[in-house]
Amino acid sequence: AQSVAQPEDQVNVAEGNPLTVKCTYSVSGNPYLFWYVQYPNRGLQFLLKYITGDNLVKGSYGFEAEFNKSQTSFHLKKPSALVSDSALYFCAVRDPYNTDKLIFGTGTRLQVFP
Amino acid sequence: DAGVIQSPRHEVTEMGQEVTLRCKPISGHDYLFWYRQTMMRGLELLIYFNNNVPIDDSGMPEDRFSAKMPNASFSTLKIQPSEPRDSAVYFCASRRLDNEQFFGPGTRLTVL
Repeated sequence: AQSVAQPEDQVNVAEGNPLTVKCTYSVSGNPYLFWYVQYPNRGLQFLLKYITGDNLVKGSYGFEAEFNKSQTSFHLKKPSALVSDSALYFCAVRDPYNTDKLIFGTGTRLQVFP
Repeated sequence: DAGVIQSPRHEVTEMGQEVTLRCKPISGHDYLFWYRQTMMRGLELLIYFNNNVPIDDSGMPEDRFSAKMPNASFSTLKIQPSEPRDSAVYFCASRRLDNEQFFGPGTRLTVL
């Protein structure tokens, strides 16, 4: 089955430290991968996507993600975390059998401490 | 652009009542998606439309749920009759062509 896994329910990091939110995928063919962020009482906001090309994708708010085909991973990273980055982060992959649909992970809550 | 607009933002109703959630997609977007988010089940796709036509409603939980899109700028999700287990946050999202989805702020539904 096509799927996305976010192995960590929560990630805690101190402000100013680098952060990584993990995502692995299992899909047929070449994956189209996305990261979204959800702030409290808000809808999901698009951060970045990988379709093809450079394995390092840069997105909004200083976030970037690295596509690793051999490890089937698409980890979200930021060199220096801010308290305001605290939110729920979702990884998603386009369903290869219905490309209109996204398959979302269960989400990872990022907590950045001052 | 104002983004995807949803109303109401909060809805509290009693079991058995009809609930109607509304969505206005971003102008020019030809896809519209309805999702439900709960702690237990995460984010679930309920139904989506392309050019106002329902394409896939396999995620609609049961016949109590229905969705319509009478024109390109408006969609509704109706629950009749509502049940406590329908309590969730319902999101509408829209997309143009093959681009990323843009989500609305959601409607928090509580069924007592």
